[in-house]
Amino acid sequence: NAGVTQTPKFQVLKTGQSMTLQCAQDMNHEYMSWYRQDPGMGLRLIHYSVGAGITDQGEVPNGYNVSRSTTEDFPLRLLSAAPSQTSVYFCASSRGGQGTLPLHFGNGTRLTVT
Amino acid sequence: AQSVAQPEDQVNVAEGNPLTVKCTYSVSGNPYLFWYVQYPNRGLQFLLKYITGDNLVKGSYGFEAEFNKSQTSFHLKKPSALVSDSALYFCAVRAREGYNQGGKLIFGQGTELSVKP
Repeated sequence: NAGVTQTPKFQVLKTGQSMTLQCAQDMNHEYMSWYRQDPGMGLRLIHYSVGAGITDQGEVPNGYNVSRSTTEDFPLRLLSAAPSQTSVYFCASSRGGQGTLPLHFGNGTRLTVT
Repeated sequence: AQSVAQPEDQVNVAEGNPLTVKCTYSVSGNPYLFWYVQYPNRGLQFLLKYITGDNLVKGSYGFEAEFNKSQTSFHLKKPSALVSDSALYFCAVRAREGYNQGGKLIFGQGTELSVKP
């Protein structure tokens, strides 16, 4: 049982490039979400999904796209990378319901945009 | 708007002493409250949660937290700190605003706990 798997672990992009951060979970969780972690700011929600085919914006969605075609996968796309998107990105999942259940986090992708 | 505040960027404690990591929140209605811990180069791990019931909740690794509705606080505590407790701790809140709010947590800024031998 791998839990939440994120790839790649590290990535360096030039301004304007695009890329996709991959996230997969093998726990059959309904809920999946993407957060970015910046020093002194905690984690901020980018996008989230309550099930396959359903996504919604979080607190800081600009510059990012998501889709959820399967229960297992929730990729995050950077459309045109900017230095402000330098951050550590975490994918998380949880079972469905009223939101009382804890999130399971991946180990993160450290992204640098030059 | 919902928010969480962790007023201390860093907490330093001697091993064997009690520790407290503070958290206050602002949310309409009754909250769901969580504490997570992050070790270097890892994702966050769940420690404990308050949903309803007893205000004192116990979690992993000997940690506990007390929900105080009047002070809108949810401080994390441990009676006797270990060097291995040194990590980054996050408080998080989720408002009870209906179904399908899973995955939408509001996090505090994080508190770096350093336990010295």
